[in-house]
Amino acid sequence: DAGITQSPRYKITETGRQVTLMCHQTWSHSYMFWYRQDLGHGLRLIYYSAAADITDKGEVSDGYVVSRSKTENFPLTLESATRSQTSVYFCASSRDNYGYTFGSGTRLTVV
Amino acid sequence: GQQLNQSPQSMFIQEGEDVSMNCTSSSIFNTWLWYKQDPGEGPVLLIALYKAGELTSNGRLTAQFGITRKDSFLNISASIPSDVGIYFCAGQIGGGSQGNLIFGKGTKLSVKP
Repeated sequence: DAGITQSPRYKITETGRQVTLMCHQTWSHSYMFWYRQDLGHGLRLIYYSAAADITDKGEVSDGYVVSRSKTENFPLTLESATRSQTSVYFCASSRDNYGYTFGSGTRLTVV
Repeated sequence: GQQLNQSPQSMFIQEGEDVSMNCTSSSIFNTWLWYKQDPGEGPVLLIALYKAGELTSNGRLTAQFGITRKDSFLNISASIPSDVGIYFCAGQIGGGSQGNLIFGKGTKLSVKP
């Protein structure tokens, strides 16, 4: 199906574990983004990518790692999960950095 | 850094009422966007504004790009239960390498049936 898909939809992990959230888009959009959404903070940018092999930090990048070896995939890795990383994570994409299209989100709980 | 002040934070309205929410910033933006997020889903783009003073409608929704380029408002006329959700404003200096979208913290809309 065309669009932007995130997996898993829900994830529970333990403190200290590494966890990877997946994002895949079928439009060949150049730009991709990772946001986290927390009560009282709205959407905060974690990382973004302007093209394959080009990534940049956002507002809240500490504790996260991204890669973009292919245009359509933009995985987000929490190297050693902490409770403060419990959140809802959204991936988004855009052809030219206007009007982002969001995925349905991954709800991550770190226990 | 750049911040968007979105108000109100939340509102309860009677079905059929008109709704108004706004977003202000100390920075100038060249693009204003309004998104809606349904429970359990990602934000969906409602309206995009690209020119100061622009007034754009999408069904019962109307949004305006402020003349100063530092603000925008969204109106919803004759609200219905499916309008429930969180509405986000977002501003951008420019596309491409000129900067990413900056989001407000959202207005949570609840409708009394």
